[in-house]
Amino acid sequence: GIQVEQSPPDLILQEGANSTLRCNFSDSVNNLQWFHQNPWGQLINLFYIPSGTKQNGRLSATTVATERYSLLYISSSQTTDSGVYFCAVDSNYQLIWGAGTKLIIKP
Amino acid sequence: NAGVMQNPRHLVRRRGQEARLRCSPMKGHSHVYWYRQLPEEGLKFMVYLQKENIIDESGMPKERFSAEFPKEGPSILRIQQVVRGDSAAYFCASSPLSLETQYFGPGTRLLVL
Repeated sequence: GIQVEQSPPDLILQEGANSTLRCNFSDSVNNLQWFHQNPWGQLINLFYIPSGTKQNGRLSATTVATERYSLLYISSSQTTDSGVYFCAVDSNYQLIWGAGTKLIIKP
Repeated sequence: NAGVMQNPRHLVRRRGQEARLRCSPMKGHSHVYWYRQLPEEGLKFMVYLQKENIIDESGMPKERFSAEFPKEGPSILRIQQVVRGDSAAYFCASSPLSLETQYFGPGTRLLVL
């Protein structure tokens, strides 16, 4: 089955810093989604991005489907950005999830 | 437009009891997915349902677990004779069509004592 790898596994930054999170996947996919799981466990949709680039405020994402990776950019980090960031790709309508990047933003 | 709703948010059961988890999809969504998350891990697919049909249950254990999505009412994930290893967060997602964005509920955190 499809393998999804995320890096780095952990990231600790000062407030205001920028960061790039990476997601590699092992096969062609129809769909890729980025999620933020906040410290209370809630999953928040960030992007639906099977290819191309999207931006939403301080967050943007790029997926290069031909090279099987996606990047999530967070600019001017805030403490509320802390949590775990997951990418998930579809495989016959079930989402296959990476292990996540745990992000801690220090004030 | 209300999001995906799950209840209860927290559930405590003793070994051997039954757990029933409910999921109401977003309005207009007829596709429901259940996922399980163990601590410090990503989510794992369990089952995909459309109204009155199980489409794919390949991620669900063959014994003790069952799921349904009746014509009326929420989708139910049922775990019989729970064991400590069933302790996890169970998330439900819905989509208007398959192969489209899945929207997730807040999850049910099951603790088996």
